[in-house]
Amino acid sequence: KQEVTQIPAALSVPEGENLVLNCSFTDSAIYNLQWFRQDPGKGLTSLLLIQSSQREQTSGRLNASLDKSSGRSTLYIAASQPGDSATYLCAVRPRTGFQKLVFGTGTRLLVSP
Amino acid sequence: NAGVMQNPRHLVRRRGQEARLRCSPMKGHSHVYWYRQLPEEGLKFMVYLQKENIIDESGMPKERFSAEFPKEGPSILRIQQVVRGDSAAYFCASSPPGGTDTGELFFGEGSRLTVL
Repeated sequence: KQEVTQIPAALSVPEGENLVLNCSFTDSAIYNLQWFRQDPGKGLTSLLLIQSSQREQTSGRLNASLDKSSGRSTLYIAASQPGDSATYLCAVRPRTGFQKLVFGTGTRLLVSP
Repeated sequence: NAGVMQNPRHLVRRRGQEARLRCSPMKGHSHVYWYRQLPEEGLKFMVYLQKENIIDESGMPKERFSAEFPKEGPSILRIQQVVRGDSAAYFCASSPPGGTDTGELFFGEGSRLTVL
């Protein structure tokens, strides 16, 4: 059974810092891995999607890496801003039963001015 | 092109009442997925539907919960005789027939159910 863990559960940093959010999964048989952002009381905004054959994806100040063999992904946020404050969710799409995304419980990020 | 539309955004029910949550997928999408997010927990898969068919309901509680996606109209998640433990955010996602090139799902804003 696929399980997804995100560390740390919460993170507080001053504005301008570079930071790394971690995601680990127990079964390497994945179709893809997706990072989402969730603001309080809001829906999910897709940030980056990495296919199982890819090593990383970049969008602006965000970079996500994937090491499928070790069951890990990291989301790197450069030059953090207060507007980055949100909960960041990692989700894997297994190869079997692939429509069932398996989510981590998220990392709650607070970037203070 | 409107995204995945969910309504109501917020719903308050008393214990024992029924809750109906609606989801209209993105234009051109015929696959709908429902996920539930309990307080302080991650999203959990509930059910996967195509038009007029339930494909996978392995994440649905066995009692009081049902889902449908009729030929016309939105997908509906129905919760009968709600209890306090049903209080959660219910998210709908959609994808086109055959999926996208990337296998991506597109999520709605969610419906937040509060049971008093």
